[in-house]
Amino acid sequence: DSGVTQTPKHLITATGQRVTLRCSPRSGDLSVYWYQQSLDQGLQFLIQYYNGEERAKGNILERFSAQQFPDLHSELNLSSLELGDSALYFCASSPGQGPDSPLHFGNGTRLTVT
Amino acid sequence: GQSLEQPSEVTAVEGAIVQINCTYQTSGFYGLSWYQQHDGGAPTFLSYNALDGLEETGRFSSFLSRSDSYGYLLLQELQMKDSASYFCAVRPIMIYNQGGKLIFGQGTELSVKP
Repeated sequence: DSGVTQTPKHLITATGQRVTLRCSPRSGDLSVYWYQQSLDQGLQFLIQYYNGEERAKGNILERFSAQQFPDLHSELNLSSLELGDSALYFCASSPGQGPDSPLHFGNGTRLTVT
Repeated sequence: GQSLEQPSEVTAVEGAIVQINCTYQTSGFYGLSWYQQHDGGAPTFLSYNALDGLEETGRFSSFLSRSDSYGYLLLQELQMKDSASYFCAVRPIMIYNQGGKLIFGQGTELSVKP
């Protein structure tokens, strides 16, 4: 168990809808990262927060947004959902942002858009 | 930008040694990491090479050569439980943004046969 908690585990919704994915980082970790993994694909970096502030952004769609709250949990909001958004969404956390800080991943949220 | 290339699949037999290569094109990065992922589960950290050379952790070793833009993960005494996807990853140097995003390769699926 990595100590990173993601909810829900599974989510099934229709096109055009909006969903919120939640992540609680490991105790003491200040950095939170969001990744998208489509079927048989690698991990695509979406966005990173550090102590409540956005610090790095990947190829995140404008329909997607995220935030990190004062208690350090994070939410990823996906709106106007399309079939192609179906994927595994992972949250990861690390104590800092240093290059030697390994990421600890949650078990992911599997999103299915129908 | 950054891109990392790995073989998509590797097959080996139990007890053997296998090497998973990672070649990269990046303008600058802090080090090369390796992660393991079983069947869509949470990726887990295996190793990190900040400097050129070999890092050994039990049955797993990782190597980095910056001059050759190349690294590899070496798995010895293969076991059935080593069947998984393996990802190399780099953390780009970001001058104006202190973010710590980790960019992953597409992954190598290792199948260990009896």
